[in-house]
Amino acid sequence: GQSLEQPSEVTAVEGAIVQINCTYQTSGFYGLSWYQQHDGGAPTFLSYNALDGLEETGRFSSFLSRSDSYGYLLLQELQMKDSASYFCSTYNFNKFYFGSGTKLNVKP
Amino acid sequence: KAGVTQTPRYLIKTRGQQVTLSCSPISGHRSVSWYQQTPGQGLQFLFEYFSETQRNKGNFPGRFSGRQFSNSRSEMNVSTLELGDSALYLCASSLRGGGDTEAFFGQGTRLTVV
Repeated sequence: GQSLEQPSEVTAVEGAIVQINCTYQTSGFYGLSWYQQHDGGAPTFLSYNALDGLEETGRFSSFLSRSDSYGYLLLQELQMKDSASYFCSTYNFNKFYFGSGTKLNVKP
Repeated sequence: KAGVTQTPRYLIKTRGQQVTLSCSPISGHRSVSWYQQTPGQGLQFLFEYFSETQRNKGNFPGRFSGRQFSNSRSEMNVSTLELGDSALYLCASSLRGGGDTEAFFGQGTRLTVV
């Protein structure tokens, strides 16, 4: 089957850097996406990695290592508004799979 | 441009009833996918439609069905509701579907089965 593992919760202070990891077990892997979801809100797309390496978009970066079946989302210069849940996701054999989500708590 | 619109936002149904949820995608998007989100199971993929055809399907019983119209609007139907169907149902639209394109989610329909 397909599975994506993420830590359930991470806490960090404002201004810090935090890394949210995602390890996956899947076949027919096409790439790893990341989504952000605030409480009561809709998930919003953050990034997509098809190839190994780092993709940077402003304060957010995402990394993928296909050989290690591992990726992470890096959030820099944390702000209070970054408090949300973050999901990694894959699309394999025409189906979408999501990790259980990591709740990020940003403290002042 | 307008985002993805889901209606209704909230719904309370009785066990055994059926329900229809609606999703209007972003104009020009041909792919609509549906998800069930619960605290215990997280986000689970239900199905994806592209140009009125169901392209992919998740591991849900046949009580869950959907369709897509020529204007790309989509509906999902759940028949013979069970208590465990209580969840947030999300739809997402994208230009061409698949995992390598940005998907835009609606605010969801919160379904409560009593």
